[in-house]
Amino acid sequence: ETGVTQTPRHLVMGMTNKKSLKCEQHLGHNAMYWYKQSAKKPLELMFVYNFKEQTENNSVPSRFSPECPNSSHLFLHLHTLQPEDSALYLCASSQEGGVYNSPLHFGNGTRLTVT
Amino acid sequence: AQKITQTQPGMFVQEKEAVTLDCTYDTSDQSYGLFWYKQPSSGEMIFLIYQGSYDEQNATEGRYSLNFQKARKSANLVISASQLGDSAMYFCAMTDSGYSTLTFGKGTMLLVSP
Repeated sequence: ETGVTQTPRHLVMGMTNKKSLKCEQHLGHNAMYWYKQSAKKPLELMFVYNFKEQTENNSVPSRFSPECPNSSHLFLHLHTLQPEDSALYLCASSQEGGVYNSPLHFGNGTRLTVT
Repeated sequence: AQKITQTQPGMFVQEKEAVTLDCTYDTSDQSYGLFWYKQPSSGEMIFLIYQGSYDEQNATEGRYSLNFQKARKSANLVISASQLGDSAMYFCAMTDSGYSTLTFGKGTMLLVSP
């Protein structure tokens, strides 16, 4: 098993669809993150969970809804998205909720296309 | 607020040569961390190297070294003896004051030719 696994790898959805992205980490970490990577823009932090509690919501629109049922799993629920939401969505995890203590370990990402 | 600047959108280097990828940062924090990540075409972000703001020596990890110049607020990545597999996007990043999240630069695309 790789450290951080994201499914699906690719997703195409219409603006009226509802879909979910899944992330699972096998590293025993207790913090998980969602990042958005758009073309020609820096990675943007979306959400942070420490010990299953959301500690940061970086002004993300409500059409993105995260869920962290336990420290190993993280979901991003999507509904009524816009074409500008098309991007690579990266999940990451770290130990002790601090990148100072351990670097982020990323998954391969989900390439999302909104039509 | 923290800011990372990578001024080189793309870099070319021949195999076995050394290459330096530039990174400058801006922060008002006294304590911070600097990171470099590699992103191959597969999409995964791979951690390469870390430098703490109070570390007196430059960090090294195998063929990677971080040229940390605190007064100039620069944290350049040096890759020695480039390999074809080094072709990828490279991102410089830094922690915020709470060490809980990372701020990334826009990245530099490195292409290594035979």
